[in-house]
Amino acid sequence: GAVVSQHPSWVICKSGTSVKIECRSLDFQATTMFWYRQFPKQSLMLMATSNEGSKATYEQGVEKDKFLINHASLTLSTLTVTSAHPEDSSFYICSARDLFSETGSFGTQYFGPGTRLTVL
Amino acid sequence: AQSVTQLDSQVPVFEEAPVELRCNYSSSVSVYLFWYVQYPNQGLQLLLKYLSGSTLVKGINGFEAEFNKSQTSFHLRKPSVHISDTAEYFCAVSDRNDYKLSFGAGTTVTVRA
Repeated sequence: GAVVSQHPSWVICKSGTSVKIECRSLDFQATTMFWYRQFPKQSLMLMATSNEGSKATYEQGVEKDKFLINHASLTLSTLTVTSAHPEDSSFYICSARDLFSETGSFGTQYFGPGTRLTVL
Repeated sequence: AQSVTQLDSQVPVFEEAPVELRCNYSSSVSVYLFWYVQYPNQGLQLLLKYLSGSTLVKGINGFEAEFNKSQTSFHLRKPSVHISDTAEYFCAVSDRNDYKLSFGAGTTVTVRA
C-alpha cells in the first residue's frame, strides 16, 4: 500500500515552454500533497503544500506564478512549470500524506519516484 | 522550526559489516522522526518512523533506529549491510503540530565487496 506515482518520469523541453507533472496517490486518499525540488547531490527542498480543493501554500522564495499547483481531487495533484528556463532544470519529487490509515491525526508522507526536468 | 543534522556526508562500508548513520535534530517542540532511502534517480522510500511508544524502531530491510530524546538523536543502524544498500539516506523531522518535513543533507552509503 501507500504508492505514489508521478508522470512523466523525465521530460526534456525547450526554453519558454510549459511542462505539467502529475502526482497520484494510487491506493489511498491524500488531502495534502507536497512538491519538492532536489538539485544534484543535495537534499530535498519543499516548494509548496498542495491541499485538495484549495489554493496551494508556497514556501518562501518560490514563485507561485511560475510553479502552478492544482489539487483537483483526493488522488491527484499537478505541478506546472510555466515558461521554463534552463535554471528550472531539476529533479521534482512529490509526496502524499496518508492521513486516514494512520492512528492519531498524523499522516506519514509517501514519495513518488520523481520527475527529471531538463530545459534546453 | 526544526533542523536536522546528518553528521556524516559519506559512509563507505564493506559488505556484511555493520553501519550506523548519525542524525541529530533541534526543535523546541515534540517531533516525529523518519529515515528515508533514495536509490539513484528514484524518489524516497520510507525506511522507518518514530511517532510514539518504544524508542527502538524497526524498519524495512533490516534497518533499525533509536530515538534518544535527551541527546536529540535518531541514529540509524544495520548489523550487516549488502551491496544493494548502496544509496542516499535522509533523516527527516516533523513537529507534531505541523506536518511539514525538514530533511537533513543526506548520507551517501557505499557498500563494497
